[in-house]
Amino acid sequence: GNSVTQMEGPVTLSEEAFLTINCTYTATGYPSLFWYVQYPGEGLQLLLKATKADDKGSNKGFEATYRKETTSFHLEKGSVQVSDSAVYFCALSRLDGNNRLAFGKGNQVVVIP
Amino acid sequence: ETGVTQSPTHLIKTRGQQVTLRCSSQSGHNTVSWYQQALGQGPQFIFQYYREEENGRGNFPPRFSGLQFPNYSSELNVNALELDDSALYLCASSKMGHGDTGELFFGEGSRLTVL
Repeated sequence: GNSVTQMEGPVTLSEEAFLTINCTYTATGYPSLFWYVQYPGEGLQLLLKATKADDKGSNKGFEATYRKETTSFHLEKGSVQVSDSAVYFCALSRLDGNNRLAFGKGNQVVVIP
Repeated sequence: ETGVTQSPTHLIKTRGQQVTLRCSSQSGHNTVSWYQQALGQGPQFIFQYYREEENGRGNFPPRFSGLQFPNYSSELNVNALELDDSALYLCASSKMGHGDTGELFFGEGSRLTVL
């Protein structure tokens, strides 16, 4: 079945540091891939997405490239801010028209001033 | 502001009781999905409603049921509550069909505690 695996554990880093959160997936066919973010006290929000191989999604300084050969969709940001502290979820959707998302476990990111 | 609203925001129930959670979808959206997010885990798909009918279901028992109304709002009902049902329940709306971008818009969730 379709599944998403994110790297284990929270991520703590200093302001202006480089952030990488790893995400790999298992799926039949060619799913769409997403990163959602959950800020404290708020609902999940779409951060970025990619719908086909080699696509790069980007938003708010974050980027992720759909890598079919490595079945990965790693999230990166070159210089994080305290306001980027949140939980980040990688997800994929089935291509059967019902937008059902399979999520990873999420990574808590804490940015220290 | 996504426009998806859920109620109640928090509630406490005891084992064996029943609960109803409500969701108003974003304007222009015709599809509602429900997810369960246990503490420290990613959201798990419960089911989706489109045109007032269930349109896909995850690995949840029949005591989890739902409704979608003509105005596209939705309810999630859980009968015979168990301790493991304690979680954040997320509602997400989307637009299926023409204009479908694949994006889900989530509410802030209803946190259910079962004692």
